[in-house]
Amino acid sequence: DQQVKQNSPSLSVQEGRISILNCDYTNSMFDYFLWYKKYPAEGPTFLISISSIKDKNEDGRFTVFLNKSAKHLSLHIVPSQPGDSAVYFCAASGSYGGSQGNLIFGKGTKLSVKP
Amino acid sequence: NAGVMQNPRHLVRRRGQEARLRCSPVKGHSHVYWYRQLPEEGLKFMVYLQKENIIDESGMPKERFSAEFPKEGPSILRIQQVVRGDSAAYFCASSPLLRQNSPLHFGNGTRLTVT
Repeated sequence: DQQVKQNSPSLSVQEGRISILNCDYTNSMFDYFLWYKKYPAEGPTFLISISSIKDKNEDGRFTVFLNKSAKHLSLHIVPSQPGDSAVYFCAASGSYGGSQGNLIFGKGTKLSVKP
Repeated sequence: NAGVMQNPRHLVRRRGQEARLRCSPVKGHSHVYWYRQLPEEGLKFMVYLQKENIIDESGMPKERFSAEFPKEGPSILRIQQVVRGDSAAYFCASSPLLRQNSPLHFGNGTRLTVT
């Protein structure tokens, strides 16, 4: 049973427009959420995170929104650039019984930004 | 990805052979985490180790898989009698004492192919 779901396997966006990547979770014990970006043949790179006590966190072109009542978070990239083309993973952690460092990942969304 | 070194980058083994994957953490980091990514899947937690101790192995298959992080040297993930289903990318991350809600930073992984 997937606790973190990314229902869109892929997303295609024009350069300069907004990219919105979505993530849903089922475990209400999750209290910390992260987004990772992954290029082929490389490891995941940490992008941005949000604690459950917040509903928004912004870092440059990247903003993460958290809707706890809906158990939904989204990553907004604006403006999108061709170099943003990668697979984006949503991950969660919290006091659900897992140890520190035991992140639950979604399956990823492949973003393609077209010039 | 800065600092965590994994080798080899690619490893090919025949069914029944042993695979040894190495992870050198960032200098000074005493905590190591191993994750596995099967094709078309997200990363899945395997094991969390401190120097000479296994802290959480809840994600490790019960048979054929073992991990260690000795006082000196890299962390080793060992897979005995490999099968085709072990083909995956194996990622390692390291940290100092992990503060609550700190992101993990991963290496570039070892891609294991079992023929």
